[in-house]
Amino acid sequence: DQQVKQNSPSLSVQEGRISILNCDYTNSMFDYFLWYKKYPAEGPTFLISISSIKDKNEDGRFTVFLNKSAKHLSLHIVPSQPGDSAVYFCAATFLSSGSARQLTFGSGTQLTVLP
Amino acid sequence: NAGVMQNPRHLVRRRGQEARLRCSPMKGHSHVYWYRQLPEEGLKFMVYLQKENIIDESGMPKERFSAEFPKEGPSILRIQQVVRGDSAAYFCASPGPGTGTGEAFFGQGTRLTVV
Repeated sequence: DQQVKQNSPSLSVQEGRISILNCDYTNSMFDYFLWYKKYPAEGPTFLISISSIKDKNEDGRFTVFLNKSAKHLSLHIVPSQPGDSAVYFCAATFLSSGSARQLTFGSGTQLTVLP
Repeated sequence: NAGVMQNPRHLVRRRGQEARLRCSPMKGHSHVYWYRQLPEEGLKFMVYLQKENIIDESGMPKERFSAEFPKEGPSILRIQQVVRGDSAAYFCASPGPGTGTGEAFFGQGTRLTVV
């Protein structure tokens, strides 16, 4: 049962253009959504998050949009740079028993930014 | 990723052997998460530990897998009698400063190969 889905395994974008990565979820209990970036042979690095009570959060070139009614979120990167080429994971969380906030990850989208 | 240390980075085991993966969280942190990433998949939560206490082990396989975080020393993820299906990248993480959001800092991972 995949509670967080990233339906596009890969995305190629020209340098300077916008990259849009999409994510869908099914569990209404999720109250925070996060995006992580991962380079090969490294651990995931936190990028940006959004609370379920908001519909937009912006940090520099990165903006996350949340459509709660559609259970959909997206990450916009503007302008895209070659260094942004990596796998991007969408993740979601809610406060479970014992104060654990485990992350439920999507399967990732490989972004390639072409120079 | 800085501060969360995992070793070894790569581990090769024959079927039936034991694998021990170590994780030292960020300095001053007393909680760790363990996640597993199978090939072509996202990360999946395994266990959440506090020093000398397992808080949430709902993602741990029922057999052969165990985790501990002693008062002194690193957290250990132990896999007994490894099988080929255990081949994966294993990541540990420290909860981030915004613990209410689920943000976490990940180590570089241990890549386990079972031959």
